[in-house]
Amino acid sequence: QSVLTQPPSVSGAPGQRVTISCTGSSSNIGAGYDVHWYQRLPGTAPKLLIFANNNRPSGVPDRFSGSKSGTSASLAITGLQAEDEADYYCQSYDSSLGAHVLFGGGTKLTVL
Amino acid sequence: EVQLVQSGAEVKKPGESLKISCKGSGYSFISYWIGWVRQMPGKGLEWMGIIYPGDSDTKYSPSFQGQVTISADKSINTAYLQWSSLRASDTAIYYCARTFSPDFLNNWFDPWGQGTLVTVSS
Repeated sequence: QSVLTQPPSVSGAPGQRVTISCTGSSSNIGAGYDVHWYQRLPGTAPKLLIFANNNRPSGVPDRFSGSKSGTSASLAITGLQAEDEADYYCQSYDSSLGAHVLFGGGTKLTVL
Repeated sequence: EVQLVQSGAEVKKPGESLKISCKGSGYSFISYWIGWVRQMPGKGLEWMGIIYPGDSDTKYSPSFQGQVTISADKSINTAYLQWSSLRASDTAIYYCARTFSPDFLNNWFDPWGQGTLVTVSS
């Protein structure tokens, strides 16, 4: 069980908006560590989607956005497209065991 | 272009040893952390550990401490993940990934290697 909790699955129709939550605790997200998001398309390596809570790397469409508040973070995808169907993972750090990297359990996005 | 290229797929028997590699190019290999991430079949990403090739400082996830060894050879810009005795439960895809900046803490991983599929079966 991941220390960063994500919903196992979300779904939406093309054009809709979906959000994926990432819930942590006072030793990770709540301690001020940034949250980063990755997209893993089927059969490919993870790709950075959002870094430092709400920043998009070059080439990532502005349909993707991130936010963070308290002990949680969220990834929002607007104007859903078929090619967005993928697994999404949040990542942060945790200070409870000597500053280790944490991944969320992952969320499968299905475009209906 | 910053790139990480991993070694090819492996098929091993339980009890065998294995060392897979991750070669960096397009940047100063000794100046950035490289982490290893496991993805078991149908499961999510799990952080295994990370190494700073400049001085071989290594940190392990508590879940993987003692189970694997992470190392690096800075003379050939390559990081390694190795097992001394594989189990069927080690069957997974293993990714290497570089921290975006030279810091370890509060960093993100970009780029990623293409992944190495390790299959352990008798």
